[in-house]
Amino acid sequence: AQSVTQLGSHVSVSEGALVLLRCNYSSSVPPYLFWYVQYPNQGLQLLLKYTTGATLVKGINGFEAEFKKSETSFHLTKPSAHMSDAAEYFCAVSDDQNTDKLIFGTGTRLQVFP
Amino acid sequence: ETGVTQSPTHLIKTRGQQVTLRCSSQSGHNTVSWYQQALGQGPQFIFQYYREEENGRGNFPPRFSGLQFPNYSSELNVNALELDDSALYLCASSLGQPTTTYNEQFFGPGTRLTVL
Repeated sequence: AQSVTQLGSHVSVSEGALVLLRCNYSSSVPPYLFWYVQYPNQGLQLLLKYTTGATLVKGINGFEAEFKKSETSFHLTKPSAHMSDAAEYFCAVSDDQNTDKLIFGTGTRLQVFP
Repeated sequence: ETGVTQSPTHLIKTRGQQVTLRCSSQSGHNTVSWYQQALGQGPQFIFQYYREEENGRGNFPPRFSGLQFPNYSSELNVNALELDDSALYLCASSLGQPTTTYNEQFFGPGTRLTVL
C-alpha cells in the first residue's frame, strides 16, 4: 500500500532563507505526487504536482519540487521564504487510477520569522 | 466560476447522534471525494462519488455513508457519532472520469465537527 512520510512536523526559517520540506513516499506503481498548502481555517490549495515528464516541477508562489525515483522523494523547496508562506504543508501521493484518491502525509508546519 | 462550498462551517453534536454534511462541487465537476482530517493529521480518504455512484471507499466503517445528487452536490452522513469522529471534513470536486488521466481535485474549506 502506498504511504507518505514527511520528515519534521515543524520547520522554522528566517524570512529570506531557503525553505526545504521533506517528503518520501512508497508506491508499488509510478505515482502521481502533490504538495498542498493549508492556511488556518481553510481548505487545501494545490501548490504543485508531478504526474509525468520533467522531474523538476514548478508551482505557485515560487515553490518547486523534484521527483527523485531512486530516492522515492519529492521534497519541496523555495529559495527565499516570505512571512506569508507560514502555513501547514501536506505531501500527497495518488496511484489508484480508479478513484484518484489522495494519500496524505501528516503535514509540516512552516514558521517564518522576521 | 464558483469554487467548492461546504455547509455548515462548524457543528457540535453529542455522542450517538447523527450528522449530515453538505458539499456543492465546483461548477461542472462531476466527481466528489470526502476526506476526514483529524487534529494534527493529514486528510484521510473516506469515499468518492462519480455520477451519483460510490466509486471507491477508504478504511471507514459503514456508519459513514454518502450521496451524490443529479446536480453533483453531495452529502456525507455519519451515524452513531463517536468522540473520535471529531475532525475537519473536507470535500473535493474534480472533473472527469476517475479511471482516465488524473483529475485535479479542488478542495472546499471544510466543516469542523466536534463530538462531545
